[in-house]
Amino acid sequence: ETGVTQSPTHLIKTRGQQVTLRCSSQSGHNTVSWYQQALGQGPQFIFQYYREEENGRGNFPPRFSGLQFPNYSSELNVNALELDDSALYLCAGRDISGNTIYFGEGSWLTVV
Amino acid sequence: DQQVKQNSPSLSVQEGRISILNCDYTNSMFDYFLWYKKYPAEGPTFLISISSIKDKNEDGRFTVFLNKSAKHLSLHIVPSQPGDSAVYFCAATPGGTSYGKLTFGQGTILTVHP
Repeated sequence: ETGVTQSPTHLIKTRGQQVTLRCSSQSGHNTVSWYQQALGQGPQFIFQYYREEENGRGNFPPRFSGLQFPNYSSELNVNALELDDSALYLCAGRDISGNTIYFGEGSWLTVV
Repeated sequence: DQQVKQNSPSLSVQEGRISILNCDYTNSMFDYFLWYKKYPAEGPTFLISISSIKDKNEDGRFTVFLNKSAKHLSLHIVPSQPGDSAVYFCAATPGGTSYGKLTFGQGTILTVHP
C-alpha cells in the first residue's frame, strides 16, 4: 500500500484536446511529483509540488501544468494533446518521515 | 544526455542464485539512489535506497552497493525467486528540496527461471 491513488486508470483522447489526471496522496506526503513513462523507457520527471507550489520542473513544455491542493491531492493538466503524449503518467509522493518516494499505479493516456 | 544508465537491457538468472543489476551515473550532484521494481500495468514499487554517505544498505534479500568514486551502484538479490521477475529501475536524486526529482535509468528486465 503506497498511499498514492491515481485516476482515471485508462483514457483515450483526441489530438488537440485537453486532459486532467488526478492523484490522491496520503497526509504524510507533502511533496508530490509527476512523471511520464513512454513504452520501453524509464519514467521522465515532469514537475514537483511542495506545499502547493511548483518547485522543480523537468524538460516539458508549458502546456504541461499542475496543481497541488491543501489536502495533498494533485492534478496534472495537459493542453493541446499531441500523439507523442501517449504514455503512462505516474504520480509520486515523498514520505516525510524518510527518504522513500512512493508511486501510484499510473494513468494510461492514449492520444489518437 | 543520459545521466543515469542501466547498460544491461535484460538479465536471466536461475532460481536460488544471485541477481546483480548494475547502474552508472554521471551527475556528481546526485546524493540519494533508489531502486524500484515494476510489473507491467503497475506503478513502480520501491525496493531500497542508499545515501551517498554510505557504501552499502541491506534489506532482507536486497542489498545495494554504492561506489561513489566510480559513480556506480548495484542491486544484489539473494536468493532470487521467480516472483522477482520484473523490470528494475535505478533512480537518482540530488536530495534536499529537489528530492522528488528522480532521474531514472532505462530499466533492466530480470527473468528468474524456476
